[in-house]
Amino acid sequence: KQEVTQIPAALSVPEGENLVLNCSFTDSAIYNLQWFRQDPGKGLTSLLLIQSSQREQTSGRLNASLDKSSGRSTLYIAASQPGDSATYLCAVSNTPLVFGKGTRLSVIA
Amino acid sequence: GAGVSQSPSNKVTEKGKDVELRCDPISGHTALYWYRQSLGQGLEFLIYFQGNSAPDKSGLPSDRFSAERTGGSVSTLTIQRTQQEDSAVYLCASSLERPGTGNTIYFGEGSWLTVV
Repeated sequence: KQEVTQIPAALSVPEGENLVLNCSFTDSAIYNLQWFRQDPGKGLTSLLLIQSSQREQTSGRLNASLDKSSGRSTLYIAASQPGDSATYLCAVSNTPLVFGKGTRLSVIA
Repeated sequence: GAGVSQSPSNKVTEKGKDVELRCDPISGHTALYWYRQSLGQGLEFLIYFQGNSAPDKSGLPSDRFSAERTGGSVSTLTIQRTQQEDSAVYLCASSLERPGTGNTIYFGEGSWLTVV
């Protein structure tokens, strides 16, 4: 059974800092990996989707990497801003999507 | 529609009552998913639809939970004889094609259910 773990569970950083969020999964037979953002009281917003054949995807200040063989993904956020404060969720696509419990990020101005 | 739409956005119900939660996926999306998120917990898969059929309903927690999808579009999740442990956010999502095809999955804002 696929299990997804996200470390750390919570993170607080000063504005402007670069940071890395980690995601690991137990079964490397995935189709793709997706990073989501969830604001309090809201649904999930898709940030990046990495296909199993890809190693990374970039969108603005976000860069996600995927090492399928080791079962790991990282989400790199450059020059963090208070507006980045949210919970970040990693999900791997077997059938269906299996989610980690998320990393709650606080960026302090 | 422009996004995944869910209703009601909030529902408070008495223990033992039945509730229906509705999901309207993005137009043209063939795959539809229901997840549940309890306070402080991760997302728990409930059921997946491809068209009107449900290839995977392994996540439904008990026989009090059921779901259907009609016309390849709107889906309804029904919880019978609600219990307090059913209190959670019920999230619906859709994607253009079935899982594993590399499609992005889009989520609705959720239906917040409180059983008192």
